[in-house]
Amino acid sequence: ETGVTQSPTHLIKTRGQQVTLRCSSQSGHNTVSWYQQALGQGPQFIFQYYREEENGRGNFPPRFSGLQFPNYSSELNVNALELDDSALYLCASSGGVFSGNTIYFGEGSWLTVV
Amino acid sequence: AQTVTQSQPEMSVQEAETVTLSCTYDTSESDYYLFWYKQPPSRQMILVIRQEAYKQQNATENRFSVNFQKAAKSFSLKISDSQLGDAAMYFCAYRRTNTGNQFYFGTGTSLTVIP
Repeated sequence: ETGVTQSPTHLIKTRGQQVTLRCSSQSGHNTVSWYQQALGQGPQFIFQYYREEENGRGNFPPRFSGLQFPNYSSELNVNALELDDSALYLCASSGGVFSGNTIYFGEGSWLTVV
Repeated sequence: AQTVTQSQPEMSVQEAETVTLSCTYDTSESDYYLFWYKQPPSRQMILVIRQEAYKQQNATENRFSVNFQKAAKSFSLKISDSQLGDAAMYFCAYRRTNTGNQFYFGTGTSLTVIP
């Protein structure tokens, strides 16, 4: 049990639509990262939020955006969905950016774009 | 840019035997962390072992140990006395110091344990 909950578990969207994925972290976890894991691939870093501000971003276009809230929950928003956005989306949370912190992963949200 | 390479897409091992999974990485940093994560069918990433680059001693966790060769930028995972529950995808990951949860993952190795 990691205390990191993601929702929804599975969803299907149509190309061009928008989607919001949610991650609920443990109390005190002020650092959250999002990853995209395509089938048969390793997770790719999308971005990270620390104390409600983005403080790191991978090679993803601006239509991937996020929010982090004071209650330690966060969102990943994807606009103008493309077929290649079909993947497992993972969030990872921890108590800070320092390397000694334990990092917890959620079980992911499966997104299928048709 | 940091890259992590796992050259073995699939590996298999007999139950109770030993298997080694390979990983190489590329970085210009001198201080960083390396990890092995296990991803079972549930898809939740489970930390297996971690290594701080400034430590020369190889990390061990029960049946899991690593061979960290900093100059060669190599980080292999050895699983001893393999068990059926070890069957999963294994990902090697790199993280720069004090960057929170920003990992660079390899493409993974699928481990099958044969009874």
